[in-house]
Amino acid sequence: QVTLKESGPVLVKPTETLTLTCTVSGFSLSNLRMGVSWVRQPPGKALEWLAHFFPNDEKSYSTSLKSRLTISKDTSKSQVVLTMTNTDPVDTATYFCARTTLGGYRYGIPYYYGMDVWGQGTTVTVSS
Amino acid sequence: DIQMTQSPSSLSASVGDRVTITCRASQSISSYLNWYQQKPGKAPKLLIYSASSLESGVPSRFSGGGSGTDFTLAISSLQPEDFATYYCQQSYSTPHTFGQGTKLEIK
Repeated sequence: QVTLKESGPVLVKPTETLTLTCTVSGFSLSNLRMGVSWVRQPPGKALEWLAHFFPNDEKSYSTSLKSRLTISKDTSKSQVVLTMTNTDPVDTATYFCARTTLGGYRYGIPYYYGMDVWGQGTTVTVSS
Repeated sequence: DIQMTQSPSSLSASVGDRVTITCRASQSISSYLNWYQQKPGKAPKLLIYSASSLESGVPSRFSGGGSGTDFTLAISSLQPEDFATYYCQQSYSTPHTFGQGTKLEIK
C-alpha cells in the first residue's frame, strides 16, 4: 500500500524558514518513474502547485516561489523535504505531498501523469 | 506559466443530472490534463489523467475529453457523493498549474 505523510510545524513566525517533510512508504524514492510533488491550499482557496522532485535529481519549482523554495530527498529515510524561506502570513495554508508518475519523454522533455496518491495534508499558520 | 481556466466556478445540480465542467489552457498542452475531486477537509483525489484515462477505482460515470487547449469533465448521473470541488491541472510543462476550481453543489 502506497502512503505519504506530511509533517512540520503548526505555527511559524513571519520571516522564519518553514521545513516540511513528506515520508513515503509502499514505493521507492529510487524508482526513476516515481517522484513527489508539493501542493498547498490557503483556507477557502484553490490548490497551488509548489514543486516536484524526481530520483534523477530533477527538481522544478513554482515560478512565483522559486527563490524561496528548496526541495530535496533523503532516500535512506524515504523522505522528501520542502523548505520555504522568509515566510509571510500569506503562506498560511494546508500543505500536501503527493506521488507523481513520470509518463515518458516527448522530444527529450519529460511529461507526467497525475498525482495519484496524496498525503492527508499538514496545516501551517504563519503568524507572529 | 500556462494558465488554466475552469468554467463555471460553481454549479448547482440534482442527483441524477448529467453535468459538464470545462477547462481551458492558455496554450496547447496536448493531452496532459488531469482532473481531481476534493471534498471539504480532505486531500484531492485523482479522477482522470491524460485527459481521458480513468484512474483505477473511479466510477465509470466520470469521463474526460479534449486535447490541445479545451477539455471537459463529465459526470453522467450525479450521485450524492459527487458534490465536491473539482480541479483541472496541466502536467505538460512545469510549473504544473491548477485551475481555480469548480464547486458542484446540490440544487
